[in-house]
Amino acid sequence: DGGITQSPKYLFRKEGQNVTLSCEQNLNHDAMYWYRQDPGQGLRLIYYSQIVNDFQKGDIAEGYSVSREKKESFPLTVTSAQKNPTAFYLCASSIAGGLLYNEQFFGPGTRLTVL
Amino acid sequence: GDSVTQMEGPVTLSEEAFLTINCTYTATGYPSLFWYVQYPGEGLQLLLKATKADDKGSNKGFEATYRKETTSFHLEKGSVQVSDSAVYFCALRDSGNTPLVFGKGTRLSVIA
Repeated sequence: DGGITQSPKYLFRKEGQNVTLSCEQNLNHDAMYWYRQDPGQGLRLIYYSQIVNDFQKGDIAEGYSVSREKKESFPLTVTSAQKNPTAFYLCASSIAGGLLYNEQFFGPGTRLTVL
Repeated sequence: GDSVTQMEGPVTLSEEAFLTINCTYTATGYPSLFWYVQYPGEGLQLLLKATKADDKGSNKGFEATYRKETTSFHLEKGSVQVSDSAVYFCALRDSGNTPLVFGKGTRLSVIA
């Protein structure tokens, strides 16, 4: 089955540690995205990538980093510079190509708790 | 910039009641509009979409009509079920190759 895999579902880290969240897709999509979800805040865009080896900052990129070395993978690193990293993180992907109506497909999310 | 405004929740309804969740948008261009649903502890799933004025998106008894004159895309369902309890997000895309812009979400609780 085609889809987006995020692992692990729950992640616990100590304050001051970097942590990397995994996102893999087998939909052959060019574009991939990372969102952060907090209660009452909706979804906020962290980073997105429209093609391999290229990515752009979203609205809340500070304290995060990404890489896009392969089409199917878009890992997100939450660094110690992120002031409040505890949140639910969602990865998404879509067909690129400049079409407005292309939907984004979402993974199941990773809940990160920093202790 | 582009933005989406949804009615604040939570919305609590009895089973078989009529549902409306309001969504209005601001966009510089002529966007495509989407509704997503998120069940507890899961990612988002596309519920329906519309790509031009007066288009009606529909799925699983939900529907929404793209109203350019009022810049709105309200979600409706004639008879809700307990299983519809979830968070609903309205979203838009205003230009190609850009990420969707989401509203803050509206939590719906349906009680038996």
